[in-house]
Amino acid sequence: QKEVEQNSGPLSVPEGAIASLNCTYSDRGSQSFFWYRQYSGKSPELIMSIYSNGDKEDGRFTAQLNKASQYVSLLIRDSQPSDSATYLCAVRLWSNTGKLIFGQGTTLQVKP
Amino acid sequence: ETGVTQTPRHLVMGMTNKKSLKCEQHLGHNAMYWYKQSAKKPLELMFVYSLEERVENNSVPSRFSPECPNSSHLFLHLHTLQPEDSALYLCASSQESLPYNEQFFGPGTRLTVL
Repeated sequence: QKEVEQNSGPLSVPEGAIASLNCTYSDRGSQSFFWYRQYSGKSPELIMSIYSNGDKEDGRFTAQLNKASQYVSLLIRDSQPSDSATYLCAVRLWSNTGKLIFGQGTTLQVKP
Repeated sequence: ETGVTQTPRHLVMGMTNKKSLKCEQHLGHNAMYWYKQSAKKPLELMFVYSLEERVENNSVPSRFSPECPNSSHLFLHLHTLQPEDSALYLCASSQESLPYNEQFFGPGTRLTVL
């Protein structure tokens, strides 16, 4: 079983719709959860971090964490073509080394 | 300069060459990381430096040798690489504090080994 799993996609949504990206993780000791956006040929850009169960909103982005079910999701409201990218889920294990485990990423396509 | 910078941005080298990748962070962070990103594979952590000490070596072959002379600079020395080492090498930094660890990435070095 992979430590962090994401559906590789592509996930295709029309412009203006809500895009829902999901991630599951295997280690119950995971402490911190992150969503990165990566455009083709570019490096990952941090867009959301979440540490407690529930929802965290930042503009058009909402991160949702459910530690009991071991999943974290990212909702993008009013999706724009510029949101088309690969979204990486990353999980920090309970360790002192700051080690993040990344999923393979979900490719999102927003069609005008 | 702001954020995390990496040089060179592109590198082509033969298997017998020796080269170094450089990373510099301008964020005042106390931890730095090297990652490898290959096509169709998740980001792989290679090395972690916290307060200039290596705290993680993720079973990386010895042909990759990291160096962290101070909290702002990180190097990755390369020698006798293999074609399968061709990848995007990413540097990141963070201000280490449990449970938080927001890591910020540099633009990466695209490495091609011939």
